[in-house]
Amino acid sequence: EPEVTQTPSHQVTQMGQEVILRCVPISNHLYFYWYRQILGQKVEFLVSFYNNEISEKSEIFDDQFSVERPDGSNFTLKIRSTKLEDSAMYFCASSERGWGLAYNEQFFGPGTRLTVL
Amino acid sequence: GQQVMQIPQYQHVQEGEDFTTYCNSSTTLSNIQWYKQRPGGHPVFLIQLVKSGEVKKQKRLTFQFGEAKKNSSLHITATQTTDVGTYFCAVYMDSNYQLIWGAGTKLIIKP
Repeated sequence: EPEVTQTPSHQVTQMGQEVILRCVPISNHLYFYWYRQILGQKVEFLVSFYNNEISEKSEIFDDQFSVERPDGSNFTLKIRSTKLEDSAMYFCASSERGWGLAYNEQFFGPGTRLTVL
Repeated sequence: GQQVMQIPQYQHVQEGEDFTTYCNSSTTLSNIQWYKQRPGGHPVFLIQLVKSGEVKKQKRLTFQFGEAKKNSSLHITATQTTDVGTYFCAVYMDSNYQLIWGAGTKLIIKP
């Protein structure tokens, strides 16, 4: 069964460093998302991406964050200068369609646990 | 911003007892989705509801969407250890691309 994959599973970094989290969405999916989840808390939307551009972003997704689809398979989240409060689990998700259409359920990857020291 | 309220935060049950989680919104919803997250795992899509008064069943799970489309519930009959995890509701609000999540209800089976 196709699945979303994410690497690395755990990333430890120093405050102020740049990190890139990588995701490979399901191959026939057209919509891609990043979420974060601070331990024990709810899932927070960061950004959605469609047709090679950001379709929507939340207030959390400030200038420190960027996303890219550098090739036909990878989808990356970059945090330019990490802060302590960026420590969280970051989930990538993809869906075949967007809201309003069938097959819009989102499939999540296993997540990358980011720890900022 | 818009929010969806989910209660309770936790529910402790004996195995075999029922479990229910509720999501409420002050505004009319166009849809609601439910996800399950096992401990240490990632959210997994369960179902989407779009119609007023809709009821859908998946084995021991029953999902309801209120007549006014402002609330929804997930009910699990006769819980099993495999049901342990956190159940989240999520809705698309104000846009087609941003999924807003409830705080989740953690199902805990008492030993």
